[in-house]
Amino acid sequence: EAGVAQSPRYKIIEKRQSVAFWCNPISGHATLYWYQQILGQGPKLLIQFQNNGVVDDSQLPKDRFSAERLKGVDSTLKIQPAKLEDSAVYLCASSLEASGRQFFGPGTRLTVL
Amino acid sequence: AQSVTQLGSHVSVSEGALVLLRCNYSSSVPPYLFWYVQYPNQGLQLLLKYTTGATLVKGINGFEAEFKKSETSFHLTKPSAHMSDAAEYFCAVTLNTGFQKLVFGTGTRLLVSP
Repeated sequence: EAGVAQSPRYKIIEKRQSVAFWCNPISGHATLYWYQQILGQGPKLLIQFQNNGVVDDSQLPKDRFSAERLKGVDSTLKIQPAKLEDSAVYLCASSLEASGRQFFGPGTRLTVL
Repeated sequence: AQSVTQLGSHVSVSEGALVLLRCNYSSSVPPYLFWYVQYPNQGLQLLLKYTTGATLVKGINGFEAEFKKSETSFHLTKPSAHMSDAAEYFCAVTLNTGFQKLVFGTGTRLLVSP
């Protein structure tokens, strides 16, 4: 069974630039999560989708972050414009159902200079 | 709101020694508790979880954890450390409701020396 795929694995940009991350969840998984993991901290949930609808985006900085999950499969997380404090690893996870076990992708490491 | 506290950002043990990683939680309702491991440049992998029932939970790679409600703790242990256990370990909590929002601790890096 293929795991959660993410791309790119690494990204370096300058502040005020835009960046987008892509996630392909495990086939058939209805729930998709985006987490932000700042160095030295645990992952923090940014947004949770159930199929293509948003369940929880309470910790998503909506002035600069946006996410979508068209057709309830792949998802894209965008930052526009990026700030220095956005440097982190962005993890995508998926689960078969909302209360199910989450499977994590390898993450995208973003460095903002 | 629920939260977890992991005592010690780094724990060093010798190969073959006991591993003990501490986790205390705060929750107003019965929690679900998890331990995840993260190897360098990899995603999080579930080690074990407690939902209901037996309070001693066994996970992968010889790890186990015990849910102690009176102490609000869920410490992770392994009798004998192996070099391959060196990684970052995260404790997490969620409420036993329909949508599983994980709240993670800050993590503990386990260092294993020969």
